[in-house]
Amino acid sequence: DVKVTQSSRYLVKRTGEKVFLECVQDMDHENMFWYRQDPGLGLRLIYFSYDVKMKEKGDIPEGYSVSREKKERFSLILESASTNQTSMYLCASRDPTDFREAFFGQGTRLTVV
Amino acid sequence: AQSVTQLDSQVPVFEEAPVELRCNYSSSVSVYLFWYVQYPNQGLQLLLKYLSGSTLVKGINGFEAEFNKSQTSFHLRKPSVHISDTAEYFCAVSDMITGGGNKLTFGTGTQLKVEL
Repeated sequence: DVKVTQSSRYLVKRTGEKVFLECVQDMDHENMFWYRQDPGLGLRLIYFSYDVKMKEKGDIPEGYSVSREKKERFSLILESASTNQTSMYLCASRDPTDFREAFFGQGTRLTVV
Repeated sequence: AQSVTQLDSQVPVFEEAPVELRCNYSSSVSVYLFWYVQYPNQGLQLLLKYLSGSTLVKGINGFEAEFNKSQTSFHLRKPSVHISDTAEYFCAVSDMITGGGNKLTFGTGTQLKVEL
């Protein structure tokens, strides 16, 4: 079974802090995604990566950056956390060659105070 | 650009009744379509997918969906729901462009609440 692991289930950070959310997948997938999930807004794509060191902005990249130094790891970075970034963050990975399902981590609920 | 519209944010239904959750999509190219389910405090898991072939696809837990290209719809159905089907359901679309950069775009979700 594919496993996508997010480093924390719950995180509380202060306004202005630099925050790192880590995601690791064990299936050698080339595509990895970061979404945020908010009530009534569904899942919105922040960034995705289609290979090591390759990334593309999603629909809401402002205030975020990403890093993909190794194929299995995709990090989301909040350069200076703000209260409006309080949300559930979901990481996913997918093999792009057969357009099958994306596999999701359990999510990180981030609260910025 | 591609987009997904889920018209119903909440759908209440009694146990053993049928249910339909609606999904419409928009894309300038051919697409693959997915339904995911999220149970409380859990991540998303795949319910079913349409890649090609028969337009009626069957998924887990007795769910099925029909791809209608002319109406750009991919509605999810179950003939008889159970209390354990209470969850949030997300429709998603991915374009068929090969290679890197094919996004997976989600709708806003439909909360299915099954009542006794």
